Amino acid sequence: KNQVEQSPQSLIILEGKNCTLQCNYTVSPFSNLRWYKQDTGRGPVSLTIMTFSENTKSNGRYTATLDADTKQSSLHITASQLSDSASYICVVSAWNNNDMRFGAGTRLTVKP
Amino acid sequence: EAGVAQSPRYKIIEKRQSVAFWCNPISGHATLYWYQQILGQGPKLLIQFQNNGVVDDSQLPKDRFSAERLKGVDSTLKIQPAKLEDSAVYLCASSLGLAGGFYEQYFGPGTRLTVT
Repeated sequence: KNQVEQSPQSLIILEGKNCTLQCNYTVSPFSNLRWYKQDTGRGPVSLTIMTFSENTKSNGRYTATLDADTKQSSLHITASQLSDSASYICVVSAWNNNDMRFGAGTRLTVKP
Repeated sequence: EAGVAQSPRYKIIEKRQSVAFWCNPISGHATLYWYQQILGQGPKLLIQFQNNGVVDDSQLPKDRFSAERLKGVDSTLKIQPAKLEDSAVYLCASSLGLAGGFYEQYFGPGTRLTVT
């Protein structure tokens, strides 16, 4: 069964600190993985997309990694800011169909 | 470039009533999606359109939910009759095409539905 699991469910950090969010998936055959940021009351916005051959991709202070062998991805946030407070959702797509599986998300709170 | 528009932003109804949501995608986007997002969960795909044809509606509760995309542009999602468990945020998204997630989906702000 194609599934996406994210951890932790929620996380609280102090402003300026780094953090890492995890995404494990069983979606097969793997096509690509996206990380989305969803601010409260808003729709998700794509941060990065990674394909099978990509190990790392950065978008400003956000760095995503992918290990296709272990079917794990992480999103690292450097020097967190208050505006990073949001839910981060991992979405994995399979080849040969339009099946996109959403994780439940990690709720990040950055405190001053 | 204008984003995905949705209305209304909030709706409160009693169970067994009907409700409709409207979505206007980004101009030129062929693919349109409706998602249901229950509090604390990730979005769940309800239905996916390519132009005005349905690509996937396998998770749409067809006994009470319906959706249409006339002329391949705007779309409406209807619930009739509503149940308490339908309380959620309904997100509309659009993308240039399908291609297994390679095309980025652009999401609207969502409609928060509360069923009492």
